[in-house]
Amino acid sequence: ETGVTQTPRHLVMGMTNKKSLKCEQHLGHNAMYWYKQSAKKPLELMFVYSLEERVENNSVPSRFSPECPNSSHLFLHLHTLQPEDSALYLCASSQDPAGVLDTQYFGPGTRLTVL
Amino acid sequence: GQNIDQPTEMTATEGAIVQINCTYQTSGFNGLFWYQQHAGEAPTFLSYNVLDGLEEKGRFSSFLSRSKGYSYLLLKELQMKDSASYLCAVRDPYGGSQGNLIFGKGTKLSVKP
Repeated sequence: ETGVTQTPRHLVMGMTNKKSLKCEQHLGHNAMYWYKQSAKKPLELMFVYSLEERVENNSVPSRFSPECPNSSHLFLHLHTLQPEDSALYLCASSQDPAGVLDTQYFGPGTRLTVL
Repeated sequence: GQNIDQPTEMTATEGAIVQINCTYQTSGFNGLFWYQQHAGEAPTFLSYNVLDGLEEKGRFSSFLSRSKGYSYLLLKELQMKDSASYLCAVRDPYGGSQGNLIFGKGTKLSVKP
């Protein structure tokens, strides 16, 4: 599935670094999502953007800062992270998050390690 | 509360049939999804059930019983490439302003020769 791409695929950073994750969707969808996937835990929704407006923020720490400049691009800016933030960060997109038949399509993820 | 339960791991033999169960307790229900995720890769959409019954799609079928809060994913004629994690997710219309998906922890399926 190449409809949703993410870069970088792997990232190692120190706790004082600032980095950004990038997601791009080529499906013409109107909504984009950031999820965190940790070992032995369910996928956790972090942020939802619909038509470039943030509509959901599940109490994510402020060291994670999303940005959605247009409906095709989504960023996750990272700063002063903690080792427990090490995880797979997945981006997804969908056509209409309020629609009953709406289906989310995922990117390959960025494997983040915080030292 | 919201809870999605599925077995952590399962093992099956190539060519066999395997059933992966999922039970859920959510505030509301607006559909159940199954995703397949190979190690290090993106979850890929497999199936969607919103009404009771069986949905068949090739070697994969998914069943839903809303009254029991229960679903299963049935994989037939197992192939080695089916070794992956299978994620069950429920759309809860009361789980967020956009009816977001609530995921289980996933079932890691190992297919052996």
